[in-house]
Amino acid sequence: AQSVTQLDSQVPVFEEAPVELRCNYSSSVSVYLFWYVQYPNQGLQLLLKYLSGSTLVKGINGFEAEFNKSQTSFHLRKPSVHISDTAEYFCAVSVFTGGGNKLTFGTGTQLKVEL
Amino acid sequence: EPEVTQTPSHQVTQMGQEVILRCVPISNHLYFYWYRQILGQKVEFLVSFYNNEISEKSEIFDDQFSVERPDGSNFTLKIRSTKLEDSAMYFCASSTGDRWISYGYTFGSGTRLTVV
Repeated sequence: AQSVTQLDSQVPVFEEAPVELRCNYSSSVSVYLFWYVQYPNQGLQLLLKYLSGSTLVKGINGFEAEFNKSQTSFHLRKPSVHISDTAEYFCAVSVFTGGGNKLTFGTGTQLKVEL
Repeated sequence: EPEVTQTPSHQVTQMGQEVILRCVPISNHLYFYWYRQILGQKVEFLVSFYNNEISEKSEIFDDQFSVERPDGSNFTLKIRSTKLEDSAMYFCASSTGDRWISYGYTFGSGTRLTVV
């Protein structure tokens, strides 16, 4: 079975500062990796995904993530955050099981951008 | 861009009542899913559905839950006798074939179920 660990439950950061949200996963097979963002009282929006190929993945809103197989990590980064980036961020892994792709989510990281 | 549509956006029900949450997946998607997020907690997988049958379910998905694709476009989650602890946001999702080729996974905006 696969699992996801997001060690930081909250990350406060000042506007225009860089940020990194950490994600580690465990799986006995190859995985697909995702970051989702959830704004208050809204659904899940896909930020970016890693399926294969280049380990540096660029997503929407200036976010990027790097897949590191040896460290089983998929950390999310943004060089300069904006107030509007305040949201909950979820890392997720998926393995195709023949019956579809079940996503296993981490517990989430609340990013709070302050002036 | 294609969307997964969920209705209603918010439903309040009395404990013990049956509820049906509705979803319209993206039309060319083949796999359908329900997830649940209890307030302040992580998103949890409930069930996946393919070729008109359940392909995988979690331990949360007990006998009080059922899913159906009644008419080829809708995908429903029924909770037979709701409990207070069923209060959560329920997300429907759909995906393409066996690989994340194009849209990959698409989530609906969710139905907030409140059991009183």
